[in-house]
Amino acid sequence: DTEVTQTPKHLVMGMTNKKSLKCEQHMGHRAMYWYKQKAKKPPELMFVYSYEKLSINESVPSRFSPECPNSSLLNLHLHALQPEDSALYLCASSQGTSGFPPFFGPGTRLTVL
Amino acid sequence: AQSVSQHNHHVILSEAASLELGCNYSYGGTVNLFWYVQYPGQHLQLLLKYFSGDPLVKGIKGFEAEFIKSKFSFNLRKPSVQWSDTAEYFCAVNAPTGKLIFGQGTTLQVKP
Repeated sequence: DTEVTQTPKHLVMGMTNKKSLKCEQHMGHRAMYWYKQKAKKPPELMFVYSYEKLSINESVPSRFSPECPNSSLLNLHLHALQPEDSALYLCASSQGTSGFPPFFGPGTRLTVL
Repeated sequence: AQSVSQHNHHVILSEAASLELGCNYSYGGTVNLFWYVQYPGQHLQLLLKYFSGDPLVKGIKGFEAEFIKSKFSFNLRKPSVQWSDTAEYFCAVNAPTGKLIFGQGTTLQVKP
């Protein structure tokens, strides 16, 4: 299995909702990432997990809460989002954080109303 | 701060034309360099990577890139593009901090 899967593919939520994005990989990778991508823009790093521990938080607002339940799973919990948070949220994984290219999932297209 | 600069924002070519996309990075230490491609409606895929050794690296689909350390550059090339190469291309640098920094991207449009 050489892919990163993400669910759901699309998500529409109101500003008062709580939702979660899920990501899974079975490549034995020990680093996992969340990125945010706006249309026609490069991905922006949000969080990095290394060996199931949060190693980088790029000053992301607390309305985004990551969780790494085990080495194969990565969640992003969403609460009280703003319309400007609408974007494609990408999960990625790699063998390690230094020198290993991340493999990206297809993303979750999030719309906040 | 580390940064990646892609000079060409939008490139339009005819099929069979040669392609070169520029990428420069600013980081003085050891870096790993990548080119990713994002085809319309698809997810980011790794085209090629440079870690060390031969500065000319070959990737998938006939792409290659040359690392020139003195110029802090990692330009992407393809001798003859096809319509199916129409996509967004991102250069990226992976610093030892673990961060993968992307350039702004280049939209390549290949006319049949």
